[in-house]
Amino acid sequence: DAGVIQSPRHEVTEMGQEVTLRCKPISGHNSLFWYRQTMMRGLELLIYFNNNVPIDDSGMPEDRFSAKMPNASFSTLKIQPSEPRDSAVYFCASSFLGGEFIQYFGAGTRLSVL
Amino acid sequence: ILNVEQSPQSLHVQEGDSTNFTCSFPSSNFYALHWYRWETAKSPEALFVMTLNGDEKKKGRISATLNTKEGYSYLYIKGSQPEDSATYLCASRGTSYDKVIFGPGTSLSVIP
Repeated sequence: DAGVIQSPRHEVTEMGQEVTLRCKPISGHNSLFWYRQTMMRGLELLIYFNNNVPIDDSGMPEDRFSAKMPNASFSTLKIQPSEPRDSAVYFCASSFLGGEFIQYFGAGTRLSVL
Repeated sequence: ILNVEQSPQSLHVQEGDSTNFTCSFPSSNFYALHWYRWETAKSPEALFVMTLNGDEKKKGRISATLNTKEGYSYLYIKGSQPEDSATYLCASRGTSYDKVIFGPGTSLSVIP
């Protein structure tokens, strides 16, 4: 398996623009997570899906952020409108609920909002 | 809310030194404890998953212990090498259906 695949790797955008981050989890995994890495908060869980259903979105900062998982092999995290304070590295991770639940992380998307 | 804490926040050691750091979690709500290693510019990678009180796990020069009754885990690195430089994250789960909650990490720098 190629592991968790995230795209794009880098995104530079202007304040107010819509940003969409994409994630393909490991085949066979039934859980997917979106995390944000910041200097202040470290690794912060934004949202957690199980079997494509959002289970916990308490970490989503505000209404500007939304996440979807239309099927088991794809998820998106959308920010609209983007703001400079959204600049961070966003990680997607997948896992199998029922096993050890080890999180397998993608390479991350570095987002810069100017 | 599950609070996972780690100490120290950062650590600088000389090559060859052995070191250890701590992860603490609420003992009243525990299912499993994970350790991850996170190298700069890379993604976190799992080191260990532990569930039983008294568990000890080892991978090369790195080992970990678990005390679920008092709510802590230690990670030990024997004979640190520069390639051990990374942030070490622990994460706790309260039940078999819970998400993992990550601690803030311990940043280790091994000086050649």
